[in-house]
Amino acid sequence: ETGVTQTPRHLVMGMTNKKSLKCEQHLGHNAMYWYKQSAKKPLELMFVYSLEERVENNSVPSRFSPECPNSSHLFLHLHTLQPEDSALYLCASSQEFGGAGRGNQPQHFGDGTRLSIL
Amino acid sequence: DQQVKQNSPSLSVQEGRISILNCDYTNSMFDYFLWYKKYPAEGPTFLISISSIKDKNEDGRFTVFLNKSAKHLSLHIVPSQPGDSAVYFCAAGTGANSKLTFGKGITLSVRP
Repeated sequence: ETGVTQTPRHLVMGMTNKKSLKCEQHLGHNAMYWYKQSAKKPLELMFVYSLEERVENNSVPSRFSPECPNSSHLFLHLHTLQPEDSALYLCASSQEFGGAGRGNQPQHFGDGTRLSIL
Repeated sequence: DQQVKQNSPSLSVQEGRISILNCDYTNSMFDYFLWYKKYPAEGPTFLISISSIKDKNEDGRFTVFLNKSAKHLSLHIVPSQPGDSAVYFCAAGTGANSKLTFGKGITLSVRP
């Protein structure tokens, strides 16, 4: 139990569907992250939220839309995805995101959502 | 261009022996390094970290060594156990924030 819960664990959707991935952390952290992991590639950071404010968007296509209603919950809304978007999507949290001297904090990951686009 | 490189995709060692997992980085701004372990169908789990002001950090069977001049770090597992079989990710960050850059990972297999 890592304290970060992701649902659903598996998702199969067509390219025209709309679905959402959910992440919840029970660690009292203030920063949350979405990552994409494709086969044979490093984890790719997609979005970062700090105290419910988006602080990073790494050139992610608009078909991925994040939402952070409070510091414990993070969503990734999906619409009109492409086959190349099939991957493992991981959520993570850390105590804080930034500020001088506060960068050295490990991130805690959920178990991910395995997404397949038909 | 990958800033964190794990050039060996896999490693196989005998139970009880030492496992040495290597990681190289190119960005001289990195000053904080972490190792994560990942089992199938689970998310990465934080294992051990090291700050650039140190060259060694030890936690039980796990030791991370940092060679800043070579931009190289390694994870030593002694003695290796079958339960250590997993994918190990090297990650690096700067003191500015908690953003991390990850390597591709290396699959460790420990043979009984």
